[in-house]
Amino acid sequence: LAKTTQPISMDSYEGQEVNITCSHNNIATNDYITWYQQFPSQGPRFIIQGYKTKVTNEVASLFIPADRKSSTLSLPRVSLSDTAVYYCLVGREGRRALTFGSGTRLQVQP
Amino acid sequence: EAGVAQSPRYKIIEKRQSVAFWCNPISGHATLYWYQQILGQGPKLLIQFQNNGVVDDSQLPKDRFSAERLKGVDSTLKIQPAKLEDSAVYLCASSLGTGGDAPYEQYFGPGTRLTVT
Repeated sequence: LAKTTQPISMDSYEGQEVNITCSHNNIATNDYITWYQQFPSQGPRFIIQGYKTKVTNEVASLFIPADRKSSTLSLPRVSLSDTAVYYCLVGREGRRALTFGSGTRLQVQP
Repeated sequence: EAGVAQSPRYKIIEKRQSVAFWCNPISGHATLYWYQQILGQGPKLLIQFQNNGVVDDSQLPKDRFSAERLKGVDSTLKIQPAKLEDSAVYLCASSLGTGGDAPYEQYFGPGTRLTVT
């Protein structure tokens, strides 16, 4: 499984755009990049998944450069409710579950 | 659509006692996962079921942990005897496992917070 590296923590203010970058230098050809969000006292929640270029949904955007050795989760105009831990997972979706790292703790302040 | 249900939500036991957790996945989800999440860390997979068969239990401490998924639906995770280091949140998740747009997207339950004293 590809190893991922992401910042331990980030701080932001309401209304700002937040970009969380994840490094995955040994990503394999068939690997996808998946992000989960976890609020305190809750289980993780799927945010977005991508393979290459850009993916956008109602919650976030995921930017993946051509070499796929990193990816950036972009959260537009964050609010206090976006304070959470964000996990980057890399692997081939299939019978075996992906591995969670320690995640990035995002703190949004007013 | 009902989410993943878990019970109990909280449990406090003394070391060397036994404890059991219950999980009811989303209807129709073939794959069920149990994770252990220690404070400040990401979830660690303990065991993964596909229907009622085990796909991966490589990180399950089999000398004290056991899990079963009868009839491919509900699942129980048991710890016997518990140790202090078992204090954690135990998360259950499920996924379709096949078909659909995102068959491996995992839906997590609220977790059971276990404190071993």
